[in-house]
Amino acid sequence: DQQVKQNSPSLSVQEGRISILNCDYTNSMFDYFLWYKKYPAEGPTFLISISSIKDKNEDGRFTVFLNKSAKHLSLHIVPSQPGDSAVYFCAASVNTDKLIFGTGTRLQVFP
Amino acid sequence: EAGVVQSPRYKIIEKKQPVAFWCNPISGHNTLYWYLQNLGQGPELLIRYENEEAVDDSQLPKDRFSAERLKGVDSTLKIQPAELGDSAVYLCASSPSRGGDNEQFFGPGTRLTVL
Repeated sequence: DQQVKQNSPSLSVQEGRISILNCDYTNSMFDYFLWYKKYPAEGPTFLISISSIKDKNEDGRFTVFLNKSAKHLSLHIVPSQPGDSAVYFCAASVNTDKLIFGTGTRLQVFP
Repeated sequence: EAGVVQSPRYKIIEKKQPVAFWCNPISGHNTLYWYLQNLGQGPELLIRYENEEAVDDSQLPKDRFSAERLKGVDSTLKIQPAELGDSAVYLCASSPSRGGDNEQFFGPGTRLTVL
């Protein structure tokens, strides 16, 4: 049973435009959500997080939105840059003890 | 600040052979994690340590997998004997402590191929 789902395995966006990556979850006990970015042959790198008491968190070009009623979160990247091309993992946890990851979305930003 | 170090980066073995992975977490990080990542999947937690104590090993296949974290610093994950289905990337991560909003810092992983 996949508790965290990323239904889009890939996304292609033109440089300068907005990238929107989506994530759905099923466990209403999750209280902390994170996005990780992964380049080939490297480990995942933390990007941005959001607590369940918030509905938005912004850090530079990256914004994460949380819709608890829909059990949905999204990552917006504006503007998208070629260096953003990577695999993005959504993760969720209860008390940050154990991260449950989605299957990832491969983002490609083309010129 | 040095990141999480893992070795080896790549390992190819024949089935039924033993294999071990080593992890050196970020200095001062009390919490250490081992994850398994299969192709096309997200990382899945195998075991979590708080200092030298394994506080969550519910997902570790204990018939063939073992782990240790001596002195609460470095950690070793072992598989004996390895099976074909163990081919995956094994990731180590560390964080300053549990709870709160402490992010986990990941190493580059060890890619295991079992032939």
